[in-house]
Amino acid sequence: DQQVKQNSPSLSVQEGRISILNCDYTNSMFDYFLWYKKYPAEGPTFLISISSIKDKNEDGRFTVFLNKSAKHLSLHIVPSQPGDSAVYFCAARGNAGNMLTFGGGTRLMVKP
Amino acid sequence: EAGVAQSPRYKIIEKRQSVAFWCNPISGHATLYWYQQILGQGPKLLIQFQNNGVVDDSQLPKDRFSAERLKGVDSTLKIQPAKLEDSAVYLCASSHITASLVIQYFGAGTRLSVL
Repeated sequence: DQQVKQNSPSLSVQEGRISILNCDYTNSMFDYFLWYKKYPAEGPTFLISISSIKDKNEDGRFTVFLNKSAKHLSLHIVPSQPGDSAVYFCAARGNAGNMLTFGGGTRLMVKP
Repeated sequence: EAGVAQSPRYKIIEKRQSVAFWCNPISGHATLYWYQQILGQGPKLLIQFQNNGVVDDSQLPKDRFSAERLKGVDSTLKIQPAKLEDSAVYLCASSHITASLVIQYFGAGTRLSVL
């Protein structure tokens, strides 16, 4: 039972363009959503988060949008840079404790 | 600030052997997590400690996996005996509760290959 899904295993974009990574969830009790970025041979690093009571959160080139009615969130990266090439994981936190449920990840490749 | 330290980085064992992984969290972080990440999947939580007590171990296969955090700092995760399907990266993370959102900081992981 996958409560958090990232349906695109990979995405390729040109440098300077927008990257849009998508995530769907099924559990309406999730209260926070987070995006983590992972480079090869390193652990995931926190990128940006959004509370379930918000619909948008922005941090520099990164913006996360949350559509609660559709149980869908997306990460926008504008403009995309080659250094953004990594695997991006969407994660959701249940409102009991701090347990995170991760999606399967999307590999982003930004071409120069 | 030093990050989450894990060792070893790589481990290759035969099935039915035992193996142990070590984690040193970020200084001052009371909460420690062990995740299993199988190739092509996202991390899956195995166990969560708050200081030296277990908060959640519902997804830990307790017939073969065990974990401890005796002094509320370092932690070890053990597998005995290992199976082929245990091949994965084992990630340790830690967090410090300072606000409503608790960010988890991950180590680089231990890549386990069971042959």
